[in-house]
Amino acid sequence: QKEVEQDPGPLSVPEGAIVSLNCTYSNSAFQYFMWYRQYSRKGPELLMYTYSSGNKEDGRFTAQVDKSSKYISLFIRDSQPSDSATYLCATNLLSGGYNKLIFGAGTRLAVHP
Amino acid sequence: ETGVTQTPRHLVMGMTNKKSLKCEQHLGHNAMYWYKQSAKKPLELMFVYSLEERVENNSVPSRFSPECPNSSHLFLHLHTLQPEDSALYLCASSQGRTGVNEQFFGPGTRLTVL
Repeated sequence: QKEVEQDPGPLSVPEGAIVSLNCTYSNSAFQYFMWYRQYSRKGPELLMYTYSSGNKEDGRFTAQVDKSSKYISLFIRDSQPSDSATYLCATNLLSGGYNKLIFGAGTRLAVHP
Repeated sequence: ETGVTQTPRHLVMGMTNKKSLKCEQHLGHNAMYWYKQSAKKPLELMFVYSLEERVENNSVPSRFSPECPNSSHLFLHLHTLQPEDSALYLCASSQGRTGVNEQFFGPGTRLTVL
């Protein structure tokens, strides 16, 4: 079983739609849950993160963690063509004295006008 | 720009060639990473350097050899690669060992092995 599972998509939505991106994870020791966004020909960049369970909102983006079901979600409201990218969920694990990130495979999102 | 640069951006090499990838971070971070990104697969952590000491070598074949001469520079030396090594190689850096450990990524080197 992979430590972090993510449907690679692709996901195609019209502009203005609400987008839901999801991941599941296997290790209850994970504490931070992150979403990275990767545009074509660029490296991933941190979009937002949450610590433990709960919601976090940043503009049109909401990150949600449900530790009881080991489920991570990212919601995008009023999606824009500029949101077209690959979204990677990630979590961290303290290992060997340093903080190791574990990534999902990434979901490719296309928002069309 | 994230403050992490990688060269070259594209590299095509034969299986018998020797080449090197270079990464430089301008953020004053104390940890640097090499990842391999293949289509539809999670980022694979290859190597981690913390305070210029290698702290992780994630079962990577010996045909990949990292080098970290100082806290700002990281190299990945390549020799006798296989076609399945074709992928995007990403360098990242971060500061600190605890907390969220935000990693800043470079744009990657797209490697093709013929």
